[in-house]
Amino acid sequence: KAGVTQTPRYLIKTRGQQVTLSCSPISGHRSVSWYQQTPGQGLQFLFEYFSETQRNKGNFPGRFSGRQFSNSRSEMNVSTLELGDSALYLCASSSRDRGRETQYFGPGTRLLVL
Amino acid sequence: DQQVKQNSPSLSVQEGRISILNCDYTNSMFDYFLWYKKYPAEGPTFLISISSIKDKNEDGRFTVFLNKSAKHLSLHIVPSQPGDSAVYFCAASAVRGGADGLTFGKGTHLIIQP
Repeated sequence: KAGVTQTPRYLIKTRGQQVTLSCSPISGHRSVSWYQQTPGQGLQFLFEYFSETQRNKGNFPGRFSGRQFSNSRSEMNVSTLELGDSALYLCASSSRDRGRETQYFGPGTRLLVL
Repeated sequence: DQQVKQNSPSLSVQEGRISILNCDYTNSMFDYFLWYKKYPAEGPTFLISISSIKDKNEDGRFTVFLNKSAKHLSLHIVPSQPGDSAVYFCAASAVRGGADGLTFGKGTHLIIQP
């Protein structure tokens, strides 16, 4: 099976702009989660979508939003970008095995806010 | 409040020897634990997991040990190989695995020396 894909891989934006990142999960996976990775904070959970519904949300401001489509592809949007939003954004799709979910990550989108 | 802690930011091990990476957690609700390996500019790759009903899980050169009473888990890599040089993240989740997202430690950079 193809892995999780994320587009674009790299992005440069300026403060105040908005950005949309895309994620295609592994075929058959219905859950998609998003994470932000920064050097200081490590990997932090943003939100999870399952069957087009947001199932869980981390502790991030409302500028961070997402959605999931009927084919399980997901997008993440960040509005009014701030310098501190510069990070690696990772998407992960989940499989369920005997009730336990294992998340498989994409390569990430590196966002730089100037 | 860090619920998953990896207290060693880096670890250097000679090729062929055993690498032991440690992880401590504080949330007693965590019942599923995973280890991920990450190379620069790539997403984390799932390595191995363990459910709280077990105290050991083995997969090839990788073994994860869980000590629930101490809220401690460790990843053993035997023998260590140059390709094992990467950042290793410990992650934990409660109840249904990915239901509340994974909580990650900040990672340990493993360096395998020839």
